[in-house]
Amino acid sequence: EAQLVESGGALVQPGGSLRLSCAASGFTFTTYSMNWVRQAPGKGLEWVSYSSGDDTTKYYADSVKGRFTISRDNAKNSLYLQMHSLRAEDTAVYYCARERLTEGIDPFDIWGQGTMVTVSS
Amino acid sequence: DIQMTQSPSTLSASVGDRVTITCRASQSISIWLAWYQQKPGKAPKLLIYKASSLEGGVPSRFSGGGSGTEFTLTISSLQPDDFATYYCQEYNDYSWTFGQGTKVEIK
Repeated sequence: EAQLVESGGALVQPGGSLRLSCAASGFTFTTYSMNWVRQAPGKGLEWVSYSSGDDTTKYYADSVKGRFTISRDNAKNSLYLQMHSLRAEDTAVYYCARERLTEGIDPFDIWGQGTMVTVSS
Repeated sequence: DIQMTQSPSTLSASVGDRVTITCRASQSISIWLAWYQQKPGKAPKLLIYKASSLEGGVPSRFSGGGSGTEFTLTISSLQPDDFATYYCQEYNDYSWTFGQGTKVEIK
């Protein structure tokens, strides 16, 4: 069974940094593009970042461009999100999510349980 | 950037009701639209992709329609397990924009 498990969420001060991790299992990780999606408390879903299966193509939402970096280690079946210059508005549950198909652009069929990031002094 | 607008924001309905949620895109996205269901404290669950294709394991009371800029999600007979928040998502390009959500409440 395909599964994603996020970790690394924490309380961090404004301007600080944090690295989130997502461990994948139950599928051939290297063949799937992966994404990070976040959800602020009581708010809707916001796509954050994309990584192709081979980690060569990456995209970011304008709201995090230049501050967040997505990466993956296919040997470890893991996805990462390095976050710098954190702001209060980055406070959210962060989900990693798998694209449904291995080619083209597709919605997300497998999601982790989420990890909470709180940016506050 | 493509904007996605859902209506209504909240919907009150009873078990057995037929309910329809609308999602409008700010520009044509062909059929590149998905619908998700999310319950409190849980991750979203994919229901529909390519506007009208049912994801495996999703009950047939869920159906999707539309193309271009206007889309619908219909639940033919609302069940107790269906009270949740529903999101549309476009995937026309590498941005995956979500609608703001529609909460389906018990009437």
